Amino acid sequence: QVQLQESGPGLVKPSETLSLNCSVSRGSISSYYWSWIRQAPGKGLEWIGYVYYSGDSDFNPALGSRVTMSLDTSEKQFSLRLSSVTTADTAVYYCARGRWFYDTSGYIWYFDLWGRGTLVTVSS
Amino acid sequence: EIILTQSPGTLSLFPGDRATLSCRASQTVNNNYLAWHQQKPGQAPRLLIYGASTRAPGFPDRFSGGGSATDFTLNISRLEPEDFAVYYCQHSGAFGQGTKVEIK
Repeated sequence: QVQLQESGPGLVKPSETLSLNCSVSRGSISSYYWSWIRQAPGKGLEWIGYVYYSGDSDFNPALGSRVTMSLDTSEKQFSLRLSSVTTADTAVYYCARGRWFYDTSGYIWYFDLWGRGTLVTVSS
Repeated sequence: EIILTQSPGTLSLFPGDRATLSCRASQTVNNNYLAWHQQKPGQAPRLLIYGASTRAPGFPDRFSGGGSATDFTLNISRLEPEDFAVYYCQHSGAFGQGTKVEIK
């Protein structure tokens, strides 16, 4: 059974870079959109972006150029870096697996597997 | 970019009641590629429905999804105590704001 596990610092200072990893246990790391989603305290879900094993990626425009993602197929890990963080970036960060499809409107996906999430607090 | 709007924000029901949750898209969802996720307090979300109407493994048949184009629904035929949770609809990078199903 495939499982996802997030790891990384739970506390980041304002203006610094948040870095998280997600390990994929069992299963293939190809053919899916490996994604990050976050949830601020008491709020809903916000998609951050995905990275594909080919290197393709897509990010939430609301986060602009602060987001970078990478994928290491040999280690079966993917990572998130979010720069210039503020207190508004305090959230539980989830990694997730996206199943994608292509139709006339482009690439479409849904998340079929989630990690347990990790709380990242931005505070000095 | 599709915007998903869920209603109501909160649904207060008794165990055994039927729940009907709505998700409206700002534009047509081609091929009904709409998913629903269940999130219990302190837990990660979990895929419940995909393709608008296909139940994910592990969920009982009291959960059903329907709809097409821009209007989708999630029905829970008889609420069990473990069904009280927040439900999110999702299409690609868009999530609805969630509907909380709480015990009345």
